[in-house]
Amino acid sequence: QQQVKQSPQSLIVQKGGIPIINCAYENTAFDYFPWYQQFPGKGPALLIAIRPDVSEKKEGRFTISFNKSAKQFSLHIMDSQPGDSATYFCAASKEGAQKLVFGQGTRLTINP
Amino acid sequence: DSGVTQTPKHLITATGQRVTLRCSPRSGDLSVYWYQQSLDQGLQFLIQYYNGEERAKGNILERFSAQQFPDLHSELNLSSLELGDSALYFCASSVGQGGTQYFGPGTRLLVL
Repeated sequence: QQQVKQSPQSLIVQKGGIPIINCAYENTAFDYFPWYQQFPGKGPALLIAIRPDVSEKKEGRFTISFNKSAKQFSLHIMDSQPGDSATYFCAASKEGAQKLVFGQGTRLTINP
Repeated sequence: DSGVTQTPKHLITATGQRVTLRCSPRSGDLSVYWYQQSLDQGLQFLIQYYNGEERAKGNILERFSAQQFPDLHSELNLSSLELGDSALYFCASSVGQGGTQYFGPGTRLLVL
């Protein structure tokens, strides 16, 4: 019940395309869903986060879509650029809880 | 730069040895979290401290221990090291006991 399942494991998209990364969770107590971006040799950096009271959140070229009934959420990157090539992690936690439960990560490559 | 600092950046040691990893949280953050990132297990929560007190424990081995000092920096002690302990160890911090976590650059541990 504590797992967050992320797919795909890797993704290659042409510049300007819209990569989509999906995550699914089981624990209905989760109510905070962040996405982190990690470049090689660096720590994960918070990209965008959503709470289940909204179905979509946009920040710049990044959009989270959230489907509470399906217990799924996804990250879309509009007008993707080679600089977006990184590993992306979804995560989930309970309000006020101490730990983030991470998905396995998606290695994204944007080809020029 | 997240404002979270970790030292050392790299650590190479032998099986059976003991090491100490250090983390300084962002200014004003009271919570420190430790995560282990390995290829097969992904990002796994180890332990959290809030204002000097342990608040949550995850998949932390008994050979591992941590503490948070009055100046809020934290140390993760790993003893009787095994080959399988080779991983990236990240520290994160947040203002309160939950909420947005900001990650440091990590310590890469290699046990030979």
